[in-house]
Amino acid sequence: DAGVTQSPTHLIKTRGQQVTLRCSPISGHKSVSWYQQVLGQGPQFIFQYYEKEERGRGNFPDRFSARQFPNYSSELNVNALLLGDSALYLCASSPSSLIGGTEAFFGQGTRLTVV
Amino acid sequence: GESVGLHLPTLSVQEGDNSIINCAYSNSASDYFIWYKQESGKGPQFIIDIRSNMDKRQGQRVTVLLNKTVKHLSLQIAATQPGDSAVYFCAESWDNDMRFGAGTRLTVKP
Repeated sequence: DAGVTQSPTHLIKTRGQQVTLRCSPISGHKSVSWYQQVLGQGPQFIFQYYEKEERGRGNFPDRFSARQFPNYSSELNVNALLLGDSALYLCASSPSSLIGGTEAFFGQGTRLTVV
Repeated sequence: GESVGLHLPTLSVQEGDNSIINCAYSNSASDYFIWYKQESGKGPQFIIDIRSNMDKRQGQRVTVLLNKTVKHLSLQIAATQPGDSAVYFCAESWDNDMRFGAGTRLTVKP
């Protein structure tokens, strides 16, 4: 069974552009969470979706949005990119609505570079 | 503001020794704590968790201690191995929110 898959693995964008990152959860998992990890820091929670509804939101501006599809895959959108948005974006899936924990598995992330 | 932090950014130990990684938290509403291991180029990997109604939990070679009085969390790794070399993060969770600490880089010397 495949783990959490994220695409693309690397991405370079220009300031002001928009980006869409994708996440496919482990089969049977209904929850997807998104995190931003700036180099040298711990991940920061952005969103959690469970059963296609937003269940949690971190302290990020409205430029960040996400959605979850009927097959439980998810997209993270970031508009009007800033240099400070350069980071590793991680997706984690879980079968329950609990954030983190024994059942949460992370993907390898999408490395976004904004120039 | 309230935050999760770590006392030491780096830790170097000899293979076979025990390792202790510390974490301070300040949100008294946190009711769930998790330790993650992150190897280079990979996403965080769950190690062990503990709920706020416990003060100790043991896994295979790992133990997490929670001291709510001083808002302190620690991860103990017994008989540290080269494969344990990684960055370790503590995380606290409450009300559908989660915060990670900055991480401690553990290096195991052969």
